[in-house]
Amino acid sequence: AQKITQTQPGMFVQEKEAVTLDCTYDTSDQSYGLFWYKQPSSGEMIFLIYQGSYDEQNATEGRYSLNFQKARKSANLVISASQLGDSAMYFCAMTILTGGGNKLTFGTGTQLKVEL
Amino acid sequence: GAVVSQHPSRVICKSGTSVKIECRSLDFQATTMFWYRQFPKQSLMLMATSNEGSKATYEQGVEKDKFLINHASLTLSTLTVTSAHPEDSSFYICSASVRDRGQDTQYFGPGTRLTVL
Repeated sequence: AQKITQTQPGMFVQEKEAVTLDCTYDTSDQSYGLFWYKQPSSGEMIFLIYQGSYDEQNATEGRYSLNFQKARKSANLVISASQLGDSAMYFCAMTILTGGGNKLTFGTGTQLKVEL
Repeated sequence: GAVVSQHPSRVICKSGTSVKIECRSLDFQATTMFWYRQFPKQSLMLMATSNEGSKATYEQGVEKDKFLINHASLTLSTLTVTSAHPEDSSFYICSASVRDRGQDTQYFGPGTRLTVL
């Protein structure tokens, strides 16, 4: 079974600064995918970024980048130039790519608050 | 990205009644949809995997007779909470899996907040 750990229940960052949200994972499978989702107070889960276990380069999507360190089993999300609208809950998740049925295992989340 | 809708967004019902929640993929076909439950300030818990044209696969501990799932078409899955009780009050959120840039990504609906009185 796979496990996702997010050790930061809450984070604060000033507007326009960068912030890193931590995520570590545990799996014995070699082929897996890692996701980050944003959940604003409205409740909708918004897909942000994806990293495959065999991807050699770190994923980037606009202001979001994923710092993937396979040997350390970490997949931290970096948000650059934070905006007030980035205040939300952020979930790290993983799926097993072979025979996993596309199921997602979620971490407990990090509540990010962007301040002026 | 792909758009998933959910209806209703909020429902309040009396104990003992059944509630149906619809999940639709609006601009793509989804052979697989997922239903999650989320308690306040907690993570998402997968309840079941809904496959078009076949029976849903329930996670351990989820009562299939309590939470009926029907995936009648490639764009619609429904979750019916039967004989709802106050402990069923929760945020229910669905997702649909779509092949996007080489990987299967789950896109989520806006969720349904169920309150059972």
